[in-house]
Amino acid sequence: DAGVIQSPRHEVTEMGQEVTLRCKPISGHNSLFWYRQTMMRGLELLIYFNNNVPIDDSGMPEDRFSAKMPNASFSTLKIQPSEPRDSAVYFCASSFGELNTEAFFGQGTRLTVV
Amino acid sequence: AQSVSQHNHHVILSEAASLELGCNYSYGGTVNLFWYVQYPGQHLQLLLKYFSGDPLVKGIKGFEAEFIKSKFSFNLRKPSVQWSDTAEYFCAVRGGGADGLTFGKGTHLIIQP
Repeated sequence: DAGVIQSPRHEVTEMGQEVTLRCKPISGHNSLFWYRQTMMRGLELLIYFNNNVPIDDSGMPEDRFSAKMPNASFSTLKIQPSEPRDSAVYFCASSFGELNTEAFFGQGTRLTVV
Repeated sequence: AQSVSQHNHHVILSEAASLELGCNYSYGGTVNLFWYVQYPGQHLQLLLKYFSGDPLVKGIKGFEAEFIKSKFSFNLRKPSVQWSDTAEYFCAVRGGGADGLTFGKGTHLIIQP
């Protein structure tokens, strides 16, 4: 398996533009996580899906952020409109089962909003 | 809600020194505990995990961690570090039910040759 695949790897966009980050989890995994990593706040869980259903989105910073998982093999994280403070590395991770399995991480998307 | 606290944000050691990174978690029920490592410019990779059984777990690259339930701790150890261990280390906890995987803020480890 190719692992968790994220695209793009790097994104530079202007403030106010819409940004869409994409994630393909490992085949067969039924849990998917979106994280944001910054120097100031470390690794923050934004949203967590189980069987394509959002279970916990309490980490989504504000209404500008939205995430979808239309099927078991694809998820998106959208920021509209983007702001400079959204600049961060966004990681997607997936796991199989619920409690006793580890999450596998993608390579991340480095987002820069200027 | 679950939470994770890592005591040291930055640790600098010389090669061959012993390492212990602290991790405490907060959760009332059964938990599963993880340590991940992030090498510069890379994604997170699993070092080791605890689900049940022997509280002393061994991971890759000579790392181990001990789960002490009474102290809500899961400290990471390595008897002799190498320059290649320079990385960010994250402790994580996953409880039951609707909880996702929660990470601590990480410890930046620098090993000086």
